[in-house]
Amino acid sequence: QSVLTQPASVSGSPGQSITISCTGTRTDVGGYDFVSWYQQSSGKAPKLIIFDVSSRPSGISNRFSGSKSGNTASLTISGLQAEDEADYYCGSYTSRSPSYVFGSGTKVTVL
Amino acid sequence: QITLKESGPTLVKPTQTLTLTCAFSGFSLSTRGVAMGWIRQPPGKALQWLALIYGDDVKRYSPFLNDRLIITKDTSKDLVVLTMTNVDPVDTATYYCVHLSEASEHFDYWGQGTLVTVSS
Repeated sequence: QSVLTQPASVSGSPGQSITISCTGTRTDVGGYDFVSWYQQSSGKAPKLIIFDVSSRPSGISNRFSGSKSGNTASLTISGLQAEDEADYYCGSYTSRSPSYVFGSGTKVTVL
Repeated sequence: QITLKESGPTLVKPTQTLTLTCAFSGFSLSTRGVAMGWIRQPPGKALQWLALIYGDDVKRYSPFLNDRLIITKDTSKDLVVLTMTNVDPVDTATYYCVHLSEASEHFDYWGQGTLVTVSS
């Protein structure tokens, strides 16, 4: 039950920038600055890359950046590299229940 | 350094009860504000949050699975246990143990995951 909507796939050439959107509602993405992004390489566990909309954990490249406008959050990967090829999921706190929701996931392909 | 490791059966029959255990280290789950939980991912599909337990024993559950889940903790052994009743093939997934950030609402540490298949 993916509550947040993401594009199924996004692709780009090495060095380019790509942006992944994550659309929710005012009860999750739009209502709180608790949007996070996770990178999942093939066969691996998800890894936190952005939290609180735009903050990066220690050790995460500054090529990853996050933002939010209204009910839509975005993840931008600049200077795309082959190692960025993975699935990306957004997540958010939601006042429903309350609980946590995730996006449908976006497959990033480096051409 | 926080580490999480899941364990449990790899194969469960429909209608049975699934019990998963997460062994953790690097923090105490007896402190208010600290929380751990479970997230699952069916093969080829998206992540789904299941449950969360706090150090003060407050529990939260996915509204989609609320009546089938029980989460408990054993602070003396640093374990968190998830029980899911009446499993169905749609419950086939990789189940991840996660640590909720103490400063905000995101999952900062994840276990490696354990694949559970529900099949007769």
